Amino acid sequence: GAVVSQHPSRVICKSGTSVKIECRSLDFQATTMFWYRQFPKQSLMLMATSNEGSKATYEQGVEKDKFLINHASLTLSTLTVTSAHPEDSSFYICSAYTGTAMNTEAFFGQGTRLTVV
Amino acid sequence: DAKTTQPPSMDCAEGRAANLPCNHSTISGNEYVYWYRQIHSQGPQYIIHGLKNNETNEMASLIITEDRKSSTLILPHATLRDTAVYYCIVDNTDKLIFGTGTRLQVFP
Repeated sequence: GAVVSQHPSRVICKSGTSVKIECRSLDFQATTMFWYRQFPKQSLMLMATSNEGSKATYEQGVEKDKFLINHASLTLSTLTVTSAHPEDSSFYICSAYTGTAMNTEAFFGQGTRLTVV
Repeated sequence: DAKTTQPPSMDCAEGRAANLPCNHSTISGNEYVYWYRQIHSQGPQYIIHGLKNNETNEMASLIITEDRKSSTLILPHATLRDTAVYYCIVDNTDKLIFGTGTRLQVFP
């Protein structure tokens, strides 16, 4: 089946620094990718929709200047957490569809666990 | 907001069928019912989806009531590896909005 890969799987950074997380579709092209955040013992929360060649669409309450999304190619979307703080520590997950979203399945990356110290 | 209601947790004995219910009383005619699961510290995994008819694949069966206001995911022979959080999602767009899900614990 289709594979979505995230890198890194784990990252620890100092408070105030920026961290970039990559999401790649390995065997298909994805014009749209999605970024989620998940805090311990909570559900996934959709952060933004990443659109290839255009600006990302952010969900209400998500700071676009803090979570920079770049979807420069059909197989790669990146999420940069800028000026990270301990409260940004979370599990970040991306997803993509191989075709149109209706009546099909989404493929998720394995997630990136960010710890800000 | 999620459009579904699921019990927070369930237990199931290994080898028995696990029946996970989901209420989606406000579902509209063109919305699909999707089931995903998330094993601890991993990304979610697709299980099955349907619109009106019952569906079956190699992982599970999906039973949707005639009025479409509820559904049941059936894992016919649960194994320890099926221990996970199961999410029922109703949608007709590409945005999957996750609710709180059901934490299924399969025990020996």
